[in-house]
Amino acid sequence: GAGVSQSPSNKVTEKGKDVELRCDPISGHTALYWYRQSLGQGLEFLIYFQGNSAPDKSGLPSDRFSAERTGGSVSTLTIQRTQQEDSAVYLCASSSTGTLYEQYFGPGTRLTVT
Amino acid sequence: QKEVEQNSGPLSVPEGAIASLNCTYSDRGSQSFFWYRQYSGKSPELIMFIYSNGDKEDGRFTAQLNKASQYVSLLIRDSQPSDSATYLCAVLNRLNDYKLSFGAGTTVTVRA
Repeated sequence: GAGVSQSPSNKVTEKGKDVELRCDPISGHTALYWYRQSLGQGLEFLIYFQGNSAPDKSGLPSDRFSAERTGGSVSTLTIQRTQQEDSAVYLCASSSTGTLYEQYFGPGTRLTVT
Repeated sequence: QKEVEQNSGPLSVPEGAIASLNCTYSDRGSQSFFWYRQYSGKSPELIMFIYSNGDKEDGRFTAQLNKASQYVSLLIRDSQPSDSATYLCAVLNRLNDYKLSFGAGTTVTVRA
């Protein structure tokens, strides 16, 4: 079946602009996660959705970051007033509850803020 | 102390040899353990998961878990150049049973 998809694959934006990153999870997966991976760095947890609810937003770096999920499916991560330190690969993963949270990743969106 | 620690490598092994990767974790109550493979410029790919003490084999990969010693390892037998990648260890935290804690990864290079 289809895996996790993300769009766009690459995004170059100017400092101060807003960006939206999209994630389409594996069909039937109720849990969705956003991570960030900076060059040479590990995976940084951002936010977790169970259905449309986000019980854990603790990883969001600042109030410029927000995310929503609608219909228990597609999620959008929005970064307002982008800064150069926001440059990273943003990864989305999904998992099925009922298993022990085996997470499957999408291909990522590479964000470059100039 | 980091939650999940791995040797950063690089680990260089000749083709056909066994590559051995280790991972230690700090939360004694951790319950699920995962190995991801990440090729350069790509996203992590789940290759193994293990929940119980002992060994779990899948093809050329064997995961080993020792909860008493708080370590999990991955063995890659008959290593191939296509196994050259960064391997990430991830642990499911007992207090947040959805949040994976990742190690920094071990880079493996298989020499032809």
